[in-house]
Amino acid sequence: GIQVEQSPPDLILQEGANSTLRCNFSDSVNNLQWFHQNPWGQLINLFYIPSGTKQNGRLSATTVATERYSLLYISSSQTTDSGVYFCAVPYSGGGADGLTFGKGTHLIIQP
Amino acid sequence: EPEVTQTPSHQVTQMGQEVILRCVPISNHLYFYWYRQILGQKVEFLVSFYNNEISEKSEIFDDQFSVERPDGSNFTLKIRSTKLEDSAMYFCASPQWARDNEQFFGPGTRLTVL
Repeated sequence: GIQVEQSPPDLILQEGANSTLRCNFSDSVNNLQWFHQNPWGQLINLFYIPSGTKQNGRLSATTVATERYSLLYISSSQTTDSGVYFCAVPYSGGGADGLTFGKGTHLIIQP
Repeated sequence: EPEVTQTPSHQVTQMGQEVILRCVPISNHLYFYWYRQILGQKVEFLVSFYNNEISEKSEIFDDQFSVERPDGSNFTLKIRSTKLEDSAMYFCASPQWARDNEQFFGPGTRLTVL
């Protein structure tokens, strides 16, 4: 199956800072999802982004499918942004496959 | 907005016992998924279920596990003879939109095996 690597594994920032999280994947995919896992363990959908760029408030994401990576940008961080950010792609690249997740980036925003 | 629901939110069981975890996926979609997350680790795919049959399963999904759709709305994951290492959060997921495969996750069931 496809391998997913995320970086950095941990990130500590002050409130108001900007950050970029990266997701690399080992083969072609036809979809990619970003999730935020909050302190209660819930997986919150952030973006469904097979390619291109999307923005939602202070968050944006870019996927460059041909180069097999995606970036998640968080601007003007708030303490509520803390948690683990996961990237996930279909197990074998496409269709309605189960998702393979990266190990996540653990983000801590300090007041 | 439609959502995936799961019950119970937390289950404690003794090693060797059977547990059944329940999910009500977003309606009107044929694909359903189960995942697990051991504390502090990444989310791992277990099994996908399409049109009342297993579509795909991972290496983790061995004979100890089974999935069923006992009625038109519920979707269950059964773990026979639980082991300590089965302690994890179990998530159910389903797509919401007919146009794509974006998966939405339930709140999870935290299983603790003693």
